[in-house]
Parts: sequence; structure tokens; C-alpha cells
Amino acid sequence: GEDVEQSLFLSVREGDSSVINCTYTDSSSTYLYWYKQEPGAGLQLLTYIFSNMDMKQDQRLTVLLNKKDKHLSLRIADTQTGDSAIYFCATPGGGATNKLIFGTGTLLAVQP
Amino acid sequence: DTAVSQTPKYLVTQMGNDKSIKCEQNLGHDTMYWYKQDSKKFLKIMFSYNNKELIINETVPNRFSPKSPDKAHLNLHINSLELGDSAVYFCASSQDSWGGEQYFGPGTRLTVT
Repeated sequence: GEDVEQSLFLSVREGDSSVINCTYTDSSSTYLYWYKQEPGAGLQLLTYIFSNMDMKQDQRLTVLLNKKDKHLSLRIADTQTGDSAIYFCATPGGGATNKLIFGTGTLLAVQP
Repeated sequence: DTAVSQTPKYLVTQMGNDKSIKCEQNLGHDTMYWYKQDSKKFLKIMFSYNNKELIINETVPNRFSPKSPDKAHLNLHINSLELGDSAVYFCASSQDSWGGEQYFGPGTRLTVT
């Protein structure tokens, strides 16, 4: 089945850029998503990218997709303490349903 | 207005008990989901219903039984609770079953003692 991997932890200083990486195995994914989970809360969709795009920018967020290497990244510019959270990438699980396969999650810690 | 709501937010119970978690969405979506997040934050799909019809049923013990009385509600009943069932259970919904954003509820933290 689909496998989605992320590094577990990233620590940055406030104002720096953060880059969170994700690798996946299913090359038929049509959309790839980034979700954010703040402590004690549910998941919130941050952004997504269609598989026919290489890059998508949305304010401080930049998503890069390398389909050949099956690698997805999320760059957060000017990282703030409020960005501290767990970030999950997710891909559709295939088939005729909207099943999402989530990555292992990356805990982003922003130091003031 | 709350889009996807779950009750209860916290649930502490003993092994062997039966419990239910309820989910409601007011977004007019056709598809609803249950996900389980374990203590290491791994998040995995359990079930999905589209217009009250079960469309995803992952490898989950049959002690777990979802029920969708209408497309705005999806409940999860768990029989004979075990220690390993302790987790955060998230409900989510999406417009349809073909793709697009899933909106998540705040989660129900289940602790089995």
C-alpha cells in the first residue's frame, strides 16, 4: 500500500524559513495535501497541490513537488511562534474513494 | 458556527465497556470519515460513509461499528474496549468521495484504563 514518510522533528528560530519534507510511494496521486495540527486540536488544511504542478505559493507557504523523486516539501517563510504545530502531508489512497494516507507528521518547534 | 463537531471531547472508561462517539457536520457534505490517531500521532483512516453508505472499511476489529443515520451524522460504537483502543478519534467530512478538502472535527480523546 501507499507509504508516506516525513522527518519527525524540526526546530527553527523565529523569522527563519522552515522546510518540511515528505516522500511518498504512489505515483498516481492527483492531489497532495499539507495539514496542520495545533496542540489539542483537529487537523486543518493548509494548502494542496495538483500533481501536474511543480510549485504553488500561498502567502508565506511554498509547496514544491518533485514527481520524479516522489518528494513534496512545504516551506514556511518568516516562521512565527504561532506556526509551532505538527504538519502532516497526505496523499489519496487510490481507488474510487477519497481515503487519505497521512505521513508520520513533523513536529515544528519555533524558538523565539 | 461549528462545521464538524464531535461528542464527547474526552472519554475515560474501563476495559470491557461499550462506548459511542458521535459526529455531526453542518456543511452539507455527502461523505464522512473516522480516523484514529495513536499516541505517536500516526493518523489512519478507519471508515468512510458516502450518503449513508459504507465505502471504506479498513482493517479494523469488528468491535468497532460505525453507523450513519443520515448524511450529516456518523457515529462510532466500540464494544468490549481494550487498552489498545486508547487514542484520539477524529471525524471528518468532505463534499463528496472523489477528492477535495476534508474538514476535521476537534477529536475525541479516548482513554481505556
